[in-house]
Amino acid sequence: AQSVTQLGSHVSVSEGALVLLRCNYSSSVPPYLFWYVQYPNQGLQLLLKYTSAATLVKGINGFEAEFKKSETSFHLTKPSAHMSDAAEYFCAVSDGPITQGGSEKLVFGKGTKLTVNP
Amino acid sequence: DTAVSQTPKYLVTQMGNDKSIKCEQNLGHDTMYWYKQDSKKFLKIMFSYNNKELIINETVPNRFSPKSPDKAHLNLHINSLELGDSAVYFCASSQGYGGGEQYFGPGTRLTVT
Repeated sequence: AQSVTQLGSHVSVSEGALVLLRCNYSSSVPPYLFWYVQYPNQGLQLLLKYTSAATLVKGINGFEAEFKKSETSFHLTKPSAHMSDAAEYFCAVSDGPITQGGSEKLVFGKGTKLTVNP
Repeated sequence: DTAVSQTPKYLVTQMGNDKSIKCEQNLGHDTMYWYKQDSKKFLKIMFSYNNKELIINETVPNRFSPKSPDKAHLNLHINSLELGDSAVYFCASSQGYGGGEQYFGPGTRLTVT
């Protein structure tokens, strides 16, 4: 079984400050890990993904995440927050591609709401 | 131009009614999904279809029935609606080889009164 824990349901930062959103996962198979972002009243958009290649993954809008197997973590960071980064962020894990015997079923964390203060 | 579209965007109905939500994707993907997002923003998968075949069926009441007439469409029919069904329902699609890279629709906010 797979699961995701996001530490901190709310994170507040000042504009220009470092953003750090924490995610820990549990998986019985090599995990595929994702960060999705949801802006108010919208669907989810993929920020970045880890699929067993480089452990440091760069995504859109200046975000990046580092896969640490020893810590079972996949924390999301951005060096300098922008007002437009205010949104709900979801970490998710899957068991891999359908073409490789997985189901691509995404198991989500409970989300972290990021507030950016001027 | 919309990659994954859902109709309707809002749905308000009374308990006991039957309603449907439609989803269409124009990305040429083989796999489509339904997710439920509750009032606390928690997202949980309900169903997944790959090439019109049901591959994921979570512990969802059998009042919920997905139907995939073709690879580009996945509809969700809900019978005998209950108050607890109030949520935002998201449709998504994927290529089947991205491992979980999914494209989400804008959501349908269902309110049962």
